[in-house]
Amino acid sequence: QKEVEQDPGPLSVPEGAIVSLNCTYSNSAFQYFMWYRQYSRKGPELLMYTYSSGNKEDGRFTAQVDKSSKYISLFIRDSQPSDSATYLCAMSAGVTGGGNKLTFGTGTQLKVEL
Amino acid sequence: DAGVTQSPTHLIKTRGQQVTLRCSPKSGHDTVSWYQQALGQGPQFIFQYYEEEERQRGNFPDRFSGHQFPNYSSELNVNALLLGDSALYLCASSLGRREQFFGPGTRLTVL
Repeated sequence: QKEVEQDPGPLSVPEGAIVSLNCTYSNSAFQYFMWYRQYSRKGPELLMYTYSSGNKEDGRFTAQVDKSSKYISLFIRDSQPSDSATYLCAMSAGVTGGGNKLTFGTGTQLKVEL
Repeated sequence: DAGVTQSPTHLIKTRGQQVTLRCSPKSGHDTVSWYQQALGQGPQFIFQYYEEEERQRGNFPDRFSGHQFPNYSSELNVNALLLGDSALYLCASSLGRREQFFGPGTRLTVL
């Protein structure tokens, strides 16, 4: 079993829809949670960075972390065709948990259609 | 402010050869991490360098080695290339153990 599970999609939504992307994990040492966006054949771009449980909002993006359920989510409001990309969740245990190497999900491919 | 830069962009090698990839971190960052991303997969951690030393290593064989220079730039070396080493190699930089920012990657093809 992988440490981080993520549905690879593809996920297709109409423009303006609310998108929900999710990851589950098994390692209870994870404390830092990130979402990256990756366009085809490009490097990942950091979207959201959160510590421990709770919500964080940045513009059209909201990240949620539920450590009790080992479940994280990214919501995208008013989705645009330019949001079409692969979304990667990533996690790390931090200094006390063995370092900050990132463990990634496989990525969810999102397409926002006109 | 320049972000993370990597060179070369693309590289084609044959089995058994050796390759060196280069990375310059974002201005002000002192830590460099390397990841391998196979097609359709998430990046896999190779190793991390801080203060010119390997601080942490993932599950990669000794054929994968690296170096960090006093200006914080870094190299990834892969010896005895295998077909399975074909991937996008990503460099990420950070200030200490804070959030990591990725470069555009080097696409390596092994024939």
